[in-house]
Amino acid sequence: GQQLNQSPQSMFIQEGEDVSMNCTSSSIFNTWLWYKQDPGEGPVLLIALYKAGELTSNGRLTAQFGITRKDSFLNISASIPSDVGIYFCAGQLVYTNAGKSTFGDGTTLTVKP
Amino acid sequence: DVKVTQSSRYLVKRTGEKVFLECVQDMDHENMFWYRQDPGLGLRLIYFSYDVKMKEKGDIPEGYSVSREKKERFSLILESASTNQTSMYLCASNTPGGEPQHFGDGTRLSIL
Repeated sequence: GQQLNQSPQSMFIQEGEDVSMNCTSSSIFNTWLWYKQDPGEGPVLLIALYKAGELTSNGRLTAQFGITRKDSFLNISASIPSDVGIYFCAGQLVYTNAGKSTFGDGTTLTVKP
Repeated sequence: DVKVTQSSRYLVKRTGEKVFLECVQDMDHENMFWYRQDPGLGLRLIYFSYDVKMKEKGDIPEGYSVSREKKERFSLILESASTNQTSMYLCASNTPGGEPQHFGDGTRLSIL
């Protein structure tokens, strides 16, 4: 089946630093999603990308849908302590996978004040 | 806003017990999902339901069953709980047309 490689697995950064994480796939997707999971909570959608090459921002977050449709990245600028959590990428193949997603293993972000 | 509600945030059960985890969504979504989350292993799909009474095995269905008698409710059943089923369980829902999945807050299940 499809697999997503998400990297890095974990990051330890200082408050104010920028963060970058990415996902790559062996096959194409036509939707890329980025979720954040706060400690003890369920994942919450941050950004959805529906078109190859699309660059979308949500506050300090920016995500891009790779041109090849096999990758996506998420950037967080000027990190703050509440950015702590696990970030998941997910790919969907609309119309063929009936709404199922393939998830990366997550990037755990720690921000030191 | 879509709301996916899982009946318990924390649950402690004993080995061999039959355990029910309940999930309810309020957006009339056709699809509902059960995942298991363990450190370093990401989200692993246990079962998926695409309509009432319809289900499909995910990647790790062994030791689990599911029930979907009503559209809004999807239950995960551990027939005979074992210690290796101690985990965080997440429920999600969406429509079949590519909408992102919406997650509940999770149930942290401990089997003693």
